[in-house]
Amino acid sequence: GAGVSQSPRYKVAKRGQDVALRCDPISGHVSLFWYQQALGQGPEFLTYFQNEAQLDKSGLPSDRFFAERPEGSVSTLKIQRTQQEDSAVYLCASSFRVGQPQHFGDGTRLSIL
Amino acid sequence: DQQVKQNSPSLSVQEGRISILNCDYTNSMFDYFLWYKKYPAEGPTFLISISSIKDKNEDGRFTVFLNKSAKHLSLHIVPSQPGDSAVYFCAASVASGSRLTFGEGTQLTVNP
Repeated sequence: GAGVSQSPRYKVAKRGQDVALRCDPISGHVSLFWYQQALGQGPEFLTYFQNEAQLDKSGLPSDRFFAERPEGSVSTLKIQRTQQEDSAVYLCASSFRVGQPQHFGDGTRLSIL
Repeated sequence: DQQVKQNSPSLSVQEGRISILNCDYTNSMFDYFLWYKKYPAEGPTFLISISSIKDKNEDGRFTVFLNKSAKHLSLHIVPSQPGDSAVYFCAASVASGSRLTFGEGTQLTVNP
């Protein structure tokens, strides 16, 4: 499809495991954002890329969280040594350029047991 | 510190009537505001935006009003339709294209 694609849609992991979440932005979109959404809350910013450059990672909650976008298109959010508080929906968004609205994928629901 | 607040967790209106969703913000540096609609198990869908140089923006049944002095914006949906039933999020950014700060959302239910 033409929208932002995220995989997997659902991920269950045991506490302490590492997970990797993938985002395929809309083709040609320069900006890519990751957000974390807890149950009953609005999305909260994690990190931002412009092409392959990570311009803002101030929202990452700990050094267990790492994101990359090596070729300026697909991005991966990695969480190491997962904790129960990492359970949330992780949303990816992209925009064509500065000044354009962000378009979101359907998210990955992560559950840590 | 919640910089964007939606004080009504839920709103119920009759089909054909007006729905008014409200949003307040505290950061005077915000200059770009957006509304998103979200259905269960889907990502937020962009509805409408407004920059701080305007006080109104219209797109079909959706109108957003911005009152900078009160740090308040609202989304009007006229006429409301059952398919509008969803969670509506208000969001703001310091520059149009930078990180978004979201409110907690308002669940709108439009009754047939």
